[in-house]
Amino acid sequence: AQTVTQSQPEMSVQEAETVTLSCTYDTSESDYYLFWYKQPPSRQMILVIRQEAYKQQNATENRFSVNFQKAAKSFSLKISDSQLGDAAMYFCAYRSEETSGSRLTFGEGTQLTVNP
Amino acid sequence: EPEVTQTPSHQVTQMGQEVILRCVPISNHLYFYWYRQILGQKVEFLVSFYNNEISEKSEIFDDQFSVERPDGSNFTLKIRSTKLEDSAMYFCARDGPRGTDTQYFGPGTRLTVL
Repeated sequence: AQTVTQSQPEMSVQEAETVTLSCTYDTSESDYYLFWYKQPPSRQMILVIRQEAYKQQNATENRFSVNFQKAAKSFSLKISDSQLGDAAMYFCAYRSEETSGSRLTFGEGTQLTVNP
Repeated sequence: EPEVTQTPSHQVTQMGQEVILRCVPISNHLYFYWYRQILGQKVEFLVSFYNNEISEKSEIFDDQFSVERPDGSNFTLKIRSTKLEDSAMYFCARDGPRGTDTQYFGPGTRLTVL
């Protein structure tokens, strides 16, 4: 079974600064997706960014980018120019691409605080 | 624009009562999922539903849980005899078109069992 680990329960960053959230995972599969979801206080799960494992190029979405290290099974999220609205819980998630309809497996989450 | 809608947004029930949580997809997709998140904990998979049948279920999804698509559009998660530990957020999610892509979540139902 796949596992996802987020070793930072809490992180904080100053507004306009950059922060990196860590995620590692364990799998024996070669084809999979990785995701970062944001959960604000409303508890809605919002997709931030996704990465296909077969792609060597790191995904970017505006101020959000990832550092995907497939051999090391590492998938960190970098938030640049942090804004107050970025404050939320962030979850890393894994999904197999080898089976249709496969589940998402989540990490424990990192609570991000943005200080003005 | 929400990918799916869920009702109710908040449900309060007494221990031992049955509850039904509803999920309404905006458009027609093949795969749907239910997840649970106990307060302060990670999101956990409960069950996936494909073409009107359970595709996969987790060890959490025991006999007190059931899923249905009663009218061909809505999806329901039924908890037969609620326990205190069932208090959680319950999320419905739907797949992208290929069934192996991004999952999009509804706003969730907050269940409180007293």
